[in-house]
Amino acid sequence: NAGVTQTPKFQVLKTGQSMTLQCAQDMNHNSMYWYRQDPGMGLRLIYYSASEGTTDKGEVPNGYNVSRLNKREFSLRLESAAPSQTSVYFCASSAGQGANQPQHFGDGTRLSIL
Amino acid sequence: QKEVEQDPGPLSVPEGAIVSLNCTYSNSAFQYFMWYRQYSRKGPELLMYTYSSGNKEDGRFTAQVDKSSKYISLFIRDSQPSDSATYLCAMSYSSASKIIFGSGTRLSIRP
Repeated sequence: NAGVTQTPKFQVLKTGQSMTLQCAQDMNHNSMYWYRQDPGMGLRLIYYSASEGTTDKGEVPNGYNVSRLNKREFSLRLESAAPSQTSVYFCASSAGQGANQPQHFGDGTRLSIL
Repeated sequence: QKEVEQDPGPLSVPEGAIVSLNCTYSNSAFQYFMWYRQYSRKGPELLMYTYSSGNKEDGRFTAQVDKSSKYISLFIRDSQPSDSATYLCAMSYSSASKIIFGSGTRLSIRP
């Protein structure tokens, strides 16, 4: 019962480097999400995918791109990392979009940009 | 002003105490209210979900929504050390809209 799996768990980058955070879910969920969590700011939505083949911007999309590779996988890419992107990134999935569909979260990727 | 405000704590109480966690919000259009629990180094997990006003009970946990005051609460009875975690409130305008999270309250239950 893996649920939502995120890789890597930790990463240190230099300013300007690029990287892709991977997320996969095995619950046959339609909707997937990427959040960042910063002290005092709570969880903020970066991008989401309501269903396979669709992606939409959330609250803080600047500096990020996403790909919904298939129903299981949703990746987040930082093209040119900046120190302001130092954060803990969480991927989540739900059966459908909306508040009445519980979101299941992975354990996060801790990303540090120097 | 943030849409959802939550005292960050930390809140420390002895084992067996009743815990009250609270959130206030500014937009009266919120209809769906949730509480998530997040253990250290883990992702959040949904604890309670309520629609509109009223109370909902699940074991030792009770969620309360007061829409007239724009205030929601989570009560934990007979608190246990295993309840030590960060609790995030969350809310949404409709069943199809995105969820807005509070910043979380860190709770510690002393044995």
